[in-house]
Formats: sequence, C-alpha cells, structure tokens
Amino acid sequence: DTGVSQDPRHKITKRGQNVTFRCDPISEHNRLYWYRQTLGQGPEFLTYFQNEAQLEKSRLLSDRFSAERPKGSFSTLEIQRTEQGDSAMYLCASTPRSDTQYFGPGTRLTVL
Amino acid sequence: SQQGEEDPQALSIQEGENATMNCSYKTSINNLQWYRQNSGRGLVHLILIRSNEREKHSGRLRVTLDTSKKSSSLLITASRAADTASYFCLFFSGGYNKLIFGAGTRLAVHP
Repeated sequence: DTGVSQDPRHKITKRGQNVTFRCDPISEHNRLYWYRQTLGQGPEFLTYFQNEAQLEKSRLLSDRFSAERPKGSFSTLEIQRTEQGDSAMYLCASTPRSDTQYFGPGTRLTVL
Repeated sequence: SQQGEEDPQALSIQEGENATMNCSYKTSINNLQWYRQNSGRGLVHLILIRSNEREKHSGRLRVTLDTSKKSSSLLITASRAADTASYFCLFFSGGYNKLIFGAGTRLAVHP
C-alpha cells in the first residue's frame, strides 16, 4: 500500500454513460498524475496537476475527458459519453517532486 | 502512442536464476526509473538512476544506464517466485508531457 487510494476499483458501464473516478493522493504530495493503461501495455500519461493547477494534458485526453483537483487535494477524472475504446485501467500517482511516483491501485473501467 | 522500448517482452526463468531486462529511449533524459506491477495492480517504484550515474544497486536489483546508447538495464539476481510481475522503465525527459513508460517486460519465475 503506497498511501494513494482510488475509488472505485472496478467500474462497468454501458456505452454512452458518464463515469467519474476519484484519486486521493498522499496528503503532503503536491503533484498528481493520471495515466491510462491497456492490457499488455505500459501506462500512458494523461494529465498532471501541481496543487490545484492542471499544468499538462496529453493529446490522448480528448474533449470527453476532464480532470479536476479542487483545493489541491483529491482529484477526479470524468469521462463523458464513454466508448468501448475507453476500457482500460486508470491509474493515479502522486509525488512530492518530479521523481518517484507513488501509484494507487487503479480503477479498471469496462465499457459494454 | 508514445512508449519506450523494452526487451524482452517476456522472460521465463527458474528460481535462483538472474533476470535481465533492457529499456531503450530516444530523447535526452534527466533520470530513469524502474517500476514493478503485479497482475492487475498499481505500480511500485523500484529504483531511480540519474543521468550522471552509470550504475546503482538496491538489494537484489542492479540498474545500469548508458546515456551514449540511450539504454538502461535492470538485473534481478537470485530471482524468487515472488518476483513474477511486469517491469516497466519510466523516463523523465524534462517536460511533464514527456513522461514515457516502456512497454514492459513480463517476468515469470518458476519454483
């Protein structure tokens, strides 16, 4: 257990529905990252927050994706109008600086 | 998608043997890290090597970095069944949109 938690751990939804995931980082970590990982691949960077500011967004993050980190604490990742291609593991990581990343257990999304 | 290259993609060995996996990258880096992922779980940080370092040890792990060849290797000595996992390298190349994971090596250690 790294101290980073994610909720839910599993989500099954129907195509077209909206889903929201939550990440609670280690409290003293001011940087938070979201990644997406598909089966057999390494994680792919989605977005990055420093405190409450979203500083980077990958081209992978389409307009259907939005992320927030109110008050620089927990973060949410919302996917609107889900598609089957969104099925993946969504990973959150926090770090006190741009070095070691502490990962949560991930949220596995299945879009039917 | 942007991913670094790792080889082999899969490695199967017996307990007690050593396991070596390699990672190559294309841009300049600040540091390189190795992570382990057990099936369906989050990633766990193993070791970080900075661009001005050539070799680093941590327990049964040895990491080397050759910046001239843009490659790194992770050696696990005296492997155990509990080492069975996927191993990924991660590059930081200066920008947060340039966080790149390798495609991973799936290691299976048989008792």
